[in-house]
Amino acid sequence: DVLMTQTPVSLPVSLGGQVSISCRSSQSLVHSDGNTYLHWYLQKPGQSPQLLIYRVSNRFSGVPDRFSGSGSGTDFTLKISRVEPEDLGVYYCLQSTHFPPTFGGGTKLELK
Amino acid sequence: EVKLVESGGGLVQPGRSLKLSCAASGFSFNDYWMGWVRQAPGKGLEWIGEINQDSSTINYTPSLKDKFTISRDNAQNTLYLQMSKLGSEDTAIYYCASECGYWGQGVMVTVSS
Repeated sequence: DVLMTQTPVSLPVSLGGQVSISCRSSQSLVHSDGNTYLHWYLQKPGQSPQLLIYRVSNRFSGVPDRFSGSGSGTDFTLKISRVEPEDLGVYYCLQSTHFPPTFGGGTKLELK
Repeated sequence: EVKLVESGGGLVQPGRSLKLSCAASGFSFNDYWMGWVRQAPGKGLEWIGEINQDSSTINYTPSLKDKFTISRDNAQNTLYLQMSKLGSEDTAIYYCASECGYWGQGVMVTVSS
């Protein structure tokens, strides 16, 4: 299985600040069809995960442009600018290029 | 509005079986792959498996394939997860997820005597 490593595990932030979360895979996530199936989810406390970014850099419906994704190959980043209270929770990356899909261990975004 | 509503969870004894359902609405259910993901208490996310639009292709995470069976009824807009020989390690919240990006709110399954 593809190992997904997220860093940091915990990320203290001030409201209005900017943060980055890293996700690294144990092998390239470029699919044979040319796409890279790396996605980002946010799980708010007591809720199910919600899709933020799909295929590296595409914002899902309703996701504010404060969220942006980038990266290629094995190295990916989620950036959140002007952090708001509703952004707090655990962020997960997911790869679905290789079966089975595998998640990163999560990054908890919390207030300083 | 897209809705995915899981049901069928609860307390079950070790070694028993349980079948979860996921009722979908607000989107064209039979146009999308569907899947199941679980999350043990306080832990991360684990992909269980997925099923394509006409049920001709069903894929399972290899370590779980002998325990779970995924099916769907497009006429009823419903996804299913049949779980067998349950053990304490299967205690988790089970989520259904759609290829179009939406997840259900999850249903808790507790395996205990």
